[in-house]
Amino acid sequence: GQNIDQPTEMTATEGAIVQINCTYQTSGFNGLFWYQQHAGEAPTFLSYNVLDGLEEKGRFSSFLSRSKGYSYLLLKELQMKDSASYLCAVSDSNYQLIWGAGTKLIIKP
Amino acid sequence: IAGITQAPTSQILAAGRRMTLRCTQDMRHNAMYWYRQDLGLGLRLIHYSNTAGTTGKGEVPDGYSVSRANTDDFPLTLASAVPSQTSVYFCASSYSSSQGDEQFFGPGTRLTVL
Repeated sequence: GQNIDQPTEMTATEGAIVQINCTYQTSGFNGLFWYQQHAGEAPTFLSYNVLDGLEEKGRFSSFLSRSKGYSYLLLKELQMKDSASYLCAVSDSNYQLIWGAGTKLIIKP
Repeated sequence: IAGITQAPTSQILAAGRRMTLRCTQDMRHNAMYWYRQDLGLGLRLIHYSNTAGTTGKGEVPDGYSVSRANTDDFPLTLASAVPSQTSVYFCASSYSSSQGDEQFFGPGTRLTVL
């Protein structure tokens, strides 16, 4: 079967760094997406990785290891507005997205 | 309009009733999708359309139908609603269904079936 695993909830302090992990087992792999979803709102795109390595975009970075079926999202200089759920999704052999349940990130002052 | 819109924002529906959720995008995207989001579960694909005139079944298609008569609109119909269809429904679109194209999401419809 297809499976995406990520922690249910994480807590971090404003100004700190947090890493949200995602492991996957899917039928085929055509890239991995990270989305942010604030409570009561729609998901919004953060990053896309298809090759191994680190992609940096401002305070957010995303890493992929295809051989390990593993990705992480790194958030630096945390701000209160970063409190949200972070969704990991893998594009499978049919280019359909398989979604993890999301990680709720709580930022404390 | 700019982007992707959904209607209604929320709805309470009696079991057994028919309901159509509307979705419109003005980005000229070829691909469109319907997901449901339930607490503790990831987004699950209900139906998709890679281009106008074509549709396909996702992970959880039973009890739902879609049509794609033109590029902009992708309505989702519940023929006879059941309580297990209580969920938040998101419509999304992308330029294509190919590798790497990000999906843009509508604001969602919160549906309660009693």
